[in-house]
Amino acid sequence: AQSVTQLDSQVPVFEEAPVELRCNYSSSVSVYLFWYVQYPNQGLQLLLKYLSGSTLVKGINGFEAEFNKSQTSFHLRKPSVHISDTAEYFCAVSSGGSQGNLIFGKGTKLSVKP
Amino acid sequence: NAGVTQTPKFRVLKTGQSMTLLCAQDMNHEYMYWYRQDPGMGLRLIHYSVGEGTTAKGEVPDGYNVSRLKKQNFLLGLESAAPSQTSVYFCASSFGLSSNEQFFGPGTRLTVL
Repeated sequence: AQSVTQLDSQVPVFEEAPVELRCNYSSSVSVYLFWYVQYPNQGLQLLLKYLSGSTLVKGINGFEAEFNKSQTSFHLRKPSVHISDTAEYFCAVSSGGSQGNLIFGKGTKLSVKP
Repeated sequence: NAGVTQTPKFRVLKTGQSMTLLCAQDMNHEYMYWYRQDPGMGLRLIHYSVGEGTTAKGEVPDGYNVSRLKKQNFLLGLESAAPSQTSVYFCASSFGLSSNEQFFGPGTRLTVL
């Protein structure tokens, strides 16, 4: 069975500082990996996804993530955050095929302070 | 292009009452999903559908039923609401499974007293 662990439930950071949100997954098969963002009182929207190929994936709003198969990780990074990045971020994994539903982590709340 | 819409946005029920949540998408997606979101729990899949007329159970299906009579609509029903079903419910749709992006609605906040 697959699972996703987001190692930090809350991450406070000052504006213009770099940030890394950590995600580890467990799966016995090849996976697809996703990061979604949820702004307050809204639904989720896709930030980026890894399907295959280059392990460094760039997404919207200046975010990027690196797939590390040996460490089963997919950490999300941004070199300089803005107040508007304050949101909850969810890592998700899918194994593909007919049973390829998304399994979500419990989320990391990013708070950007001025 | 409205994307994924959900009706209603908010609802308060008493224990034992029933209700139906409506999800509609205008992207011609085959796949649709119902999730619930609880604090500190992330999103958990309730039921999903891989096409018109088909539904399947997700991780937490007990106490819920679904129907997909039309491709664009996916209904979630609570026959006898319980306080444990107090949650925020999200509908999503996608073109395919696994590698495809899921598009989410704005959510329905349900409180069961």
